Formats: sequence, structure tokens, C-alpha cells
Amino acid sequence: QSVLTQPPSASGTPGQRVTISCSGSSPNIGSNSVNWYQQLPGTAPKLLIYSSNQRSSGVPDRFSGSKSGTSASLAISGLQSEDEADYYCAVWDDSLNGPVVFGGGTKLTVL
Amino acid sequence: QVQLQESGPGLVKPSQTLSLTCTVSGGSISSAGYYWSWIRQHPGKGLEWIGYIYYSGSTYYNSSLKSRVTISVDTSKNQFSLKLSSVSAADTAVYYCARQHRGTSAFDYWGQGTLVTVSS
Repeated sequence: QSVLTQPPSASGTPGQRVTISCSGSSPNIGSNSVNWYQQLPGTAPKLLIYSSNQRSSGVPDRFSGSKSGTSASLAISGLQSEDEADYYCAVWDDSLNGPVVFGGGTKLTVL
Repeated sequence: QVQLQESGPGLVKPSQTLSLTCTVSGGSISSAGYYWSWIRQHPGKGLEWIGYIYYSGSTYYNSSLKSRVTISVDTSKNQFSLKLSSVSAADTAVYYCARQHRGTSAFDYWGQGTLVTVSS
């Protein structure tokens, strides 16, 4: 059971906009910035979004992140087939759960 | 460009100690501002943070693994290592090393990962 809650799956058709949520609590998302990772099949995770809404170098502006209260979201607009991957949120946690917690991951399928 | 590479046995017997080393190239492990972390991923599952070490040697471990984990650093070799004792089949996973920005959950460079299977 993850401290951060993500939907296990999400899907969309090419060109659509999809969002993936990450729900936490006061000691983690409520107090610290969120990072998002993209993991393509058979590869190591890649830092996609840091500090809740900053894109890593080379990440298309189709990807965006936001945070409000104890929840965060990753949005992907203009969905492309190469976006099919697993996405994880992660946050620094100030409680005994910490200091680093990951969400359970969301498998994004491009239909 | 910073690169990380895990190395170590791919097969460990139950009750023994899993030992992995991460070699860092393209940057110094003694750089202020970064932790050096181990993260694992059970087959078909999500990511689990194991622990980190700072170049000074200070460490922090996941509370669920704390009693079995030791992370050490060798700044002269630009390497850091993971030891996980008393392993069982539940420790079978892909183990990643990564560079972590201090005080955050931002892991900006990762190794390719190494599969460690616990089996007799």
C-alpha cells in the first residue's frame, strides 16, 4: 500500500489530453514538491517533471505538472504512441514514512 | 554527462547477503548537493526507495528495510555500495542506483538497473 495514491491505469487516443493524479497527505505532497517519472518498458525511470511543475531538459512541453494542497497531477496533451509507459510520482515525506516515497504507478495506454 | 553503472551477482542464495556496487562516471560522488541512492523494483511492480548515502558517509534508510541494509561509499573509487542481508525470494527485484538532489525526491541520473534473483 503506497503512501501516495495513483490510479493503476489510464488511457487515451492519439492527440487527446490525459491527466494522472497523485494523492498524498500533509507531510508529503502538502509540504514538499512533487517529481514525476516516466518508465518505458524495460528501461530505467526518467525524471520527467521536478519541483511539481518544471520540465526536465529535453522533455516536450506536452508534459506539464501541477500541485494543489495534498494532490498533484501530471498532464499529457497531444498524446502520442511513444508516451505509452508507466508513470510514477515521488515526494519527500517529513513523516516516519519517509524520507522518499513513490506512488504505486500508473500504466498509460495509448489506444 | 553523469553515468551510473550497477555491478554485482545476479543470483543470491536465500539467507545470504546481496551486494551491489554503483560506479559513477562523468561527475564526482563528492559533489555537494547530492545523495546517492538505491531503489528497487519487484517484477511487474512499482518503485521502492531503499536508502541513500552522502559523500560524507551519512546515510538514511527505508524503515521497512533498515535492519538489513547497509550503504557505504568509496570516494576514492567514485563508487557506492549496497548490502542487504538475510535475503529471501521477496528481495528478488531490479536494483537501480541513482543520483538524488539533496532534500528532494528528484533522481536525475539512474543506472540501467540490475536484476537480482534470490534462489537456491
